[in-house]
Amino acid sequence: RKEVEQDPGPFNVPEGATVAFNCTYSNSASQSFFWYRQDCRKEPKLLMSVYSSGNEDGRFTAQLNRASQYISLLIRDSKLSDSATYLCVVNTPDYKYIFGTGTRLKVLA
Amino acid sequence: EAGVAQSPRYKIIEKRQSVAFWCNPISGHATLYWYQQILGQGPKLLIQFQNNGVVDDSQLPKDRFSAERLKGVDSTLKIQPAKLEDSAVYLCASSWRGRNEQYFGPGTRLTVT
Repeated sequence: RKEVEQDPGPFNVPEGATVAFNCTYSNSASQSFFWYRQDCRKEPKLLMSVYSSGNEDGRFTAQLNRASQYISLLIRDSKLSDSATYLCVVNTPDYKYIFGTGTRLKVLA
Repeated sequence: EAGVAQSPRYKIIEKRQSVAFWCNPISGHATLYWYQQILGQGPKLLIQFQNNGVVDDSQLPKDRFSAERLKGVDSTLKIQPAKLEDSAVYLCASSWRGRNEQYFGPGTRLTVT
């Protein structure tokens, strides 16, 4: 089993749709979690940290489920500009950052 | 606040040649990372520094890759000799401490022919 797994997609959704991505991790003692966004041929940029209580930033909501060992990202009212690859990142007990392979999102007009 | 700086942005070399990349992290960030990202994959950690000490280099191909961060600030990553499979984007990132969010530089796109 991979340490961090994501559905690679692509997810093709119409503008205005709600879309959700999940990311599973294997190390139950993992400490911190993040979602990054990566545009084509650009570096990853932090989208949001994921807290145990969940967090929301505008149209984006992140949740952590420790019991089932997954994190999720929900995007409401999708915009064309949301088209990108979304990378899940898990910080393990020994301070390693493990990246998922990313989920590609394409928002269609 | 200035972000993570990397140079060069692009490099094309022939196999068996050597190449070096440079990274300057965000001021005050103690932790510096080098990643390799192959097209269609997530970044893979090559080496992690805490100040000028190595925290993790378990995935660094040490027969050909080396990295240093002598004064605990900027860092260089070297490949010698390069192979075709080293063609990738090399990303540098920094964080305040080892549990915090990372910030990435623009990367160096390496093509080995």
